[in-house]
Amino acid sequence: AQSVTQPDIHITVSEGASLELRCNYSYGATPYLFWYVQSPGQGLQLLLKYFSGDTLVQGIKGFEAEFKRSQSSFNLRKPSVHWSDAAEYFCGMDSSYKLIFGSGTRLLVRP
Amino acid sequence: DAGVIQSPRHEVTEMGQEVTLRCKPISGHDYLFWYRQTMMRGLELLIYFNNNVPIDDSGMPEDRFSAKMPNASFSTLKIQPSEPRDSAVYFCASSLAGLRAQYFGPGTRLLVL
Repeated sequence: AQSVTQPDIHITVSEGASLELRCNYSYGATPYLFWYVQSPGQGLQLLLKYFSGDTLVQGIKGFEAEFKRSQSSFNLRKPSVHWSDAAEYFCGMDSSYKLIFGSGTRLLVRP
Repeated sequence: DAGVIQSPRHEVTEMGQEVTLRCKPISGHDYLFWYRQTMMRGLELLIYFNNNVPIDDSGMPEDRFSAKMPNASFSTLKIQPSEPRDSAVYFCASSLAGLRAQYFGPGTRLLVL
């Protein structure tokens, strides 16, 4: 069955530290993958997407993600976290135009 | 370029009342999606349209929920009658077939008393 798993419910990092949020998927072929961010009281904002080609994709707000087929992963990274990055992050996978979302990872940033 | 527009942003109503949520997708997008988000169940896809035609409504919880898309620039999600368990944030999103990425509106926060 097609699915997306975000194993970490919460992650806390210090401001200025690096960040990696994990995402694993289950799909029979090369998937279309996405990362979204949701700030409190806001809608979901698209950070980046992977369709094919270069496995390292750059997004907005200094985020990047790497597609690893061998590990069925699409982890989100940022080299230096800012306090404004505190939010919930969702990994998503396209399934015939519908999006299958992970359960989300809430990022807390320590000053 | 305007994003997805939803109205109202907040709605408080009493049990049994009819609620209508509205969505204007991004111009030119041919897919429109309605989601519901709650703490308990996370993000759930309710229904989606392609070129104004409903494609999959398997996520609509029950007959009290209905959705329409009379034209390419407008969609409604209606709950009649509303119940307290319908309290949630409802999101509309749109996408362009070739690009697949969905763009979300700000949501409607619904509270049914």
